[in-house]
Amino acid sequence: DADVTQTPRNRITKTGKRIMLECSQTKGHDRMYWYRQDPGLGLRLIYYSFDVKDINKGEISDGYSVSRQAQAKFSLSLESAIPNQTALYFCATSTGPPSSYNEQFFGPGTRLTVL
Amino acid sequence: AQTVTQSQPEMSVQEAETVTLSCTYDTSESNYYLFWYKQPPSRQMILVIRQEAYKQQNATENRFSVNFQKAAKSFSLKISDSQLGDTAMYFCAFMNYKGAQKLVFGQGTRLTINP
Repeated sequence: DADVTQTPRNRITKTGKRIMLECSQTKGHDRMYWYRQDPGLGLRLIYYSFDVKDINKGEISDGYSVSRQAQAKFSLSLESAIPNQTALYFCATSTGPPSSYNEQFFGPGTRLTVL
Repeated sequence: AQTVTQSQPEMSVQEAETVTLSCTYDTSESNYYLFWYKQPPSRQMILVIRQEAYKQQNATENRFSVNFQKAAKSFSLKISDSQLGDTAMYFCAFMNYKGAQKLVFGQGTRLTINP
Protein backbone atom coordinates (compact mmCIF):
# COMPACT_ATOMS: atom_id res chain seq x y z
CA ASP A 1 0.00 0.00 0.00
CA ALA A 2 1.15 3.51 -0.79
CA ASP A 3 2.51 5.53 2.13
CA VAL A 4 0.99 8.82 0.91
CA THR A 5 -2.39 8.67 -0.78
CA GLN A 6 -4.47 11.38 -2.41
CA THR A 7 -8.15 11.32 -3.28
CA PRO A 8 -9.53 11.83 -5.81
CA ARG A 9 -6.87 11.14 -8.43
CA ASN A 10 -8.74 13.10 -11.05
CA ARG A 11 -11.59 15.55 -10.72
CA ILE A 12 -13.53 17.75 -13.08
CA THR A 13 -15.68 20.44 -11.55
CA LYS A 14 -17.41 23.65 -12.52
CA THR A 15 -16.64 27.25 -11.69
CA GLY A 16 -18.02 28.25 -8.31
CA LYS A 17 -18.18 24.76 -6.84
CA ARG A 18 -16.58 23.88 -3.54
CA ILE A 19 -14.12 21.04 -3.75
CA MET A 20 -11.92 19.22 -1.26
CA LEU A 21 -8.76 17.29 -2.02
CA GLU A 22 -7.68 14.83 0.62
CA CYS A 23 -4.30 13.51 1.62
CA SER A 24 -3.57 10.65 3.99
CA GLN A 25 -0.27 9.17 5.10
CA THR A 26 0.82 6.08 6.99
CA LYS A 27 4.43 7.17 7.45
CA GLY A 28 3.85 8.70 10.86
CA HIS A 29 5.26 12.02 9.71
CA ASP A 30 4.43 15.26 11.46
CA ARG A 31 4.91 17.60 8.51
CA MET A 32 2.57 17.78 5.55
CA TYR A 33 2.60 20.02 2.50
CA TRP A 34 0.34 20.93 -0.43
CA TYR A 35 1.92 21.92 -3.74
CA ARG A 36 0.43 22.96 -7.05
CA GLN A 37 2.07 22.15 -10.41
CA ASP A 38 1.48 24.24 -13.51
CA PRO A 39 3.22 23.89 -16.89
CA GLY A 40 6.25 26.15 -17.09
CA LEU A 41 6.05 27.06 -13.39
CA GLY A 42 7.12 23.89 -11.63
CA LEU A 43 5.63 23.11 -8.21
CA ARG A 44 4.66 25.88 -5.84
CA LEU A 45 3.81 25.60 -2.14
CA ILE A 46 0.22 26.35 -1.14
CA TYR A 47 0.11 25.46 2.57
CA TYR A 48 2.13 23.44 5.02
CA SER A 49 1.53 22.05 8.48
CA PHE A 50 3.98 20.92 11.14
CA ASP A 51 1.33 19.40 13.39
CA VAL A 52 -2.42 19.49 13.93
CA LYS A 53 -2.30 22.94 15.51
CA ASP A 54 0.37 24.48 13.27
CA ILE A 55 -0.74 25.52 9.78
CA ASN A 56 1.13 27.99 7.62
CA LYS A 57 0.56 29.74 4.32
CA GLY A 58 2.88 29.04 1.46
CA GLU A 59 3.71 30.99 -1.65
CA ILE A 60 0.25 30.86 -3.28
CA SER A 61 -2.42 30.39 -0.60
CA ASP A 62 -5.04 32.81 -1.96
CA GLY A 63 -8.23 30.98 -2.92
CA TYR A 64 -7.33 27.90 -0.87
CA SER A 65 -7.87 26.72 2.69
CA VAL A 66 -6.65 23.65 4.54
CA SER A 67 -7.59 21.45 7.45
CA ARG A 68 -5.33 19.15 9.44
CA GLN A 69 -7.89 16.74 10.89
CA ALA A 70 -5.28 14.43 12.40
CA GLN A 71 -1.58 13.78 12.16
CA ALA A 72 -2.22 11.55 9.18
CA LYS A 73 -4.73 13.68 7.26
CA PHE A 74 -4.35 17.03 5.55
CA SER A 75 -7.11 18.37 3.29
CA LEU A 76 -7.02 21.18 0.75
CA SER A 77 -10.23 23.05 -0.07
CA LEU A 78 -11.18 25.34 -2.90
CA GLU A 79 -14.17 27.27 -1.54
CA SER A 80 -15.27 28.56 -4.94
CA ALA A 81 -13.27 26.98 -7.74
CA ILE A 82 -12.16 29.08 -10.71
CA PRO A 83 -10.63 27.94 -14.02
CA ASN A 84 -7.12 29.18 -13.21
CA GLN A 85 -7.05 26.69 -10.34
CA THR A 86 -6.90 23.93 -12.95
CA ALA A 87 -3.63 22.19 -12.09
CA LEU A 88 -1.95 19.08 -10.73
CA TYR A 89 -1.96 19.07 -6.93
CA PHE A 90 0.54 17.18 -4.80
CA CYS A 91 0.59 16.36 -1.13
CA ALA A 92 3.92 15.62 0.53
CA THR A 93 5.05 14.56 3.99
CA SER A 94 8.27 14.69 5.95
CA THR A 95 9.50 14.05 9.44
CA GLY A 96 11.18 16.49 11.82
CA PRO A 97 12.89 18.04 13.71
CA PRO A 98 14.63 20.49 11.43
CA SER A 99 18.11 19.72 12.67
CA SER A 100 18.66 17.09 10.03
CA TYR A 101 17.68 16.34 6.49
CA ASN A 102 14.04 15.46 6.16
CA GLU A 103 13.11 14.04 2.79
CA GLN A 104 9.69 14.93 1.47
CA PHE A 105 7.64 12.00 0.22
CA PHE A 106 5.07 12.83 -2.44
CA GLY A 107 1.62 11.43 -3.06
CA PRO A 108 0.53 10.42 -6.57
CA GLY A 109 -1.09 13.77 -7.33
CA THR A 110 -4.63 14.93 -8.09
CA ARG A 111 -5.43 16.29 -11.53
CA LEU A 112 -8.09 19.01 -11.05
CA THR A 113 -9.91 20.62 -13.95
CA VAL A 114 -12.22 23.57 -13.36
CA LEU A 115 -14.54 24.30 -16.26
CA ALA B 1 13.48 34.49 -0.95
CA GLN B 2 15.09 31.66 -2.80
CA THR B 3 14.59 31.17 -6.53
CA VAL B 4 15.46 28.27 -8.80
CA THR B 5 15.83 28.62 -12.57
CA GLN B 6 15.93 25.92 -15.21
CA SER B 7 16.64 27.55 -18.55
CA GLN B 8 16.09 24.48 -20.76
CA PRO B 9 12.36 23.83 -21.18
CA GLU B 10 12.98 20.78 -23.39
CA MET B 11 15.87 18.52 -24.33
CA SER B 12 16.15 15.49 -26.54
CA VAL B 13 18.99 12.98 -26.94
CA GLN B 14 19.57 9.54 -28.38
CA GLU B 15 19.60 6.48 -26.21
CA ALA B 16 23.01 5.74 -24.64
CA GLU B 17 24.14 9.36 -24.96
CA THR B 18 25.09 11.57 -22.05
CA VAL B 19 22.92 14.58 -21.29
CA THR B 20 23.33 17.46 -18.87
CA LEU B 21 20.43 19.45 -17.42
CA SER B 22 21.16 22.92 -16.06
CA CYS B 23 19.93 24.63 -12.92
CA THR B 24 20.84 27.87 -11.21
CA TYR B 25 19.54 29.17 -7.92
CA ASP B 26 19.69 32.25 -5.77
CA THR B 27 19.96 32.30 -2.00
CA SER B 28 21.70 34.17 0.78
CA GLU B 29 21.91 31.03 2.91
CA SER B 30 25.20 29.19 3.36
CA ASN B 31 23.73 25.81 4.28
CA TYR B 32 21.01 24.20 2.21
CA TYR B 33 20.07 21.16 0.14
CA LEU B 34 19.64 20.84 -3.60
CA PHE B 35 17.70 18.12 -5.37
CA TRP B 36 16.80 16.73 -8.73
CA TYR B 37 13.36 15.15 -9.02
CA LYS B 38 12.11 13.04 -11.92
CA GLN B 39 8.46 13.07 -12.97
CA PRO B 40 7.65 10.35 -15.52
CA PRO B 41 4.33 10.24 -17.39
CA SER B 42 2.83 8.50 -14.35
CA ARG B 43 3.29 11.98 -12.71
CA GLN B 44 4.81 10.51 -9.57
CA MET B 45 7.57 12.70 -8.10
CA ILE B 46 10.73 10.62 -7.70
CA LEU B 47 13.83 11.87 -5.91
CA VAL B 48 16.84 11.27 -8.15
CA ILE B 49 19.72 12.81 -6.24
CA ARG B 50 20.46 15.11 -3.32
CA GLN B 51 23.38 17.43 -2.59
CA GLU B 52 24.21 19.06 0.74
CA ALA B 53 25.71 22.51 0.22
CA TYR B 54 28.34 22.01 2.94
CA LYS B 55 29.75 18.99 1.09
CA GLN B 56 32.28 19.79 -1.61
CA GLN B 57 32.07 16.35 -3.19
CA ASN B 58 29.53 16.05 -5.96
CA ALA B 59 26.76 13.54 -5.33
CA THR B 60 26.41 10.49 -7.57
CA GLU B 61 23.72 7.83 -7.86
CA ASN B 62 24.53 5.17 -10.43
CA ARG B 63 24.18 6.85 -13.85
CA PHE B 64 23.19 10.18 -12.31
CA SER B 65 25.71 12.72 -11.06
CA VAL B 66 25.70 16.41 -10.30
CA ASN B 67 28.10 19.27 -10.84
CA PHE B 68 27.64 21.53 -7.84
CA GLN B 69 29.29 24.93 -8.11
CA LYS B 70 28.43 26.75 -4.88
CA ALA B 71 30.08 30.06 -5.70
CA ALA B 72 28.35 30.19 -9.07
CA LYS B 73 25.09 28.90 -7.54
CA SER B 74 24.88 26.26 -10.23
CA PHE B 75 23.65 22.69 -9.90
CA SER B 76 23.56 20.61 -13.07
CA LEU B 77 22.49 17.00 -13.49
CA LYS B 78 24.38 14.62 -15.76
CA ILE B 79 22.73 11.44 -16.96
CA SER B 80 25.18 8.95 -18.43
CA ASP B 81 24.27 6.12 -20.79
CA SER B 82 20.73 7.48 -21.08
CA GLN B 83 17.87 4.98 -21.27
CA LEU B 84 14.35 5.18 -22.66
CA GLY B 85 13.06 5.04 -19.09
CA ASP B 86 14.83 8.31 -18.34
CA THR B 87 12.23 10.12 -20.45
CA ALA B 88 10.50 12.42 -17.98
CA MET B 89 10.16 15.93 -16.65
CA TYR B 90 13.07 16.83 -14.37
CA PHE B 91 12.82 19.42 -11.63
CA CYS B 92 15.63 21.09 -9.75
CA ALA B 93 14.70 22.07 -6.19
CA PHE B 94 16.15 23.96 -3.21
CA MET B 95 15.52 23.42 0.49
CA ASN B 96 16.75 25.46 3.44
CA TYR B 97 18.92 23.55 5.89
CA LYS B 98 16.77 24.46 8.85
CA GLY B 99 13.42 26.04 9.58
CA ALA B 100 10.38 25.15 7.54
CA GLN B 101 12.42 23.18 4.99
CA LYS B 102 10.09 24.10 2.18
CA LEU B 103 10.97 22.95 -1.30
CA VAL B 104 11.39 25.62 -3.97
CA PHE B 105 11.22 24.19 -7.47
CA GLY B 106 12.48 25.26 -10.85
CA GLN B 107 10.26 25.35 -13.90
CA GLY B 108 11.25 21.90 -15.09
CA THR B 109 13.03 20.43 -18.13
CA ARG B 110 11.23 17.91 -20.30
CA LEU B 111 13.77 15.28 -21.35
CA THR B 112 13.07 12.86 -24.18
CA ILE B 113 15.32 9.89 -24.85
CA ASN B 114 14.96 8.69 -28.44
CA PRO B 115 15.60 5.09 -29.50
